[in-house]
Amino acid sequence: DAKTTQPPSMDCAEGRAANLPCNHSTISGNEYVYWYRQIHSQGPQYIIHGLKNNETNEMASLIITEDRKSSTLILPHATLRDTAVYYCIVRVMKTSYDKVIFGPGTSLSVIP
Amino acid sequence: EAGVAQSPRYKIIEKRQSVAFWCNPISGHATLYWYQQILGQGPKLLIQFQNNGVVDDSQLPKDRFSAERLKGVDSTLKIQPAKLEDSAVYLCASSLAGRINQPQHFGDGTRLSIL
Repeated sequence: DAKTTQPPSMDCAEGRAANLPCNHSTISGNEYVYWYRQIHSQGPQYIIHGLKNNETNEMASLIITEDRKSSTLILPHATLRDTAVYYCIVRVMKTSYDKVIFGPGTSLSVIP
Repeated sequence: EAGVAQSPRYKIIEKRQSVAFWCNPISGHATLYWYQQILGQGPKLLIQFQNNGVVDDSQLPKDRFSAERLKGVDSTLKIQPAKLEDSAVYLCASSLAGRINQPQHFGDGTRLSIL
């Protein structure tokens, strides 16, 4: 099962773009990249996911490299409320069920 | 759409006591997950149900942990007897069955403290 590697922590100035990298060099062709974030005392919140194309929604953009070995989550205009732990995970189908492994994530601090 | 509901929100017990957590997934979500999250770590999957059947319980400490989902909707996770190392947040999540391109949705968890 593919694992992910993320920096343990990052800072970002309020109003600037936050670019969170993720390495998933062993990803297979049918595995999706998902991003979640977790604000203190809450459960993980879904942000975005993709297979091989770049994706954008109201929360963020996901850029996946052509070889799919890494991706970047972009929060275009970070606010103080974006301070959280961000998890990049790879999700794969096993016969009839999916497999998800969370790493320790990246702790993003948005600074005023 | 109502989210994943969990109760209780907090629980404090002494070691060797038993405890149970309850989860109500999003309506129509056949897949249900229980995770354990120790402070400073990412969530670790304990058990995964598809409808009322277990599809993955490889990381569940079966000597003390048990879980059931009798009618394929609500689920309970039990610990008996509890150990100090079980202090953690227990998260429940649900998703559409077999749909890897649909996200998991998480509840806010139950924070368990063992004295």
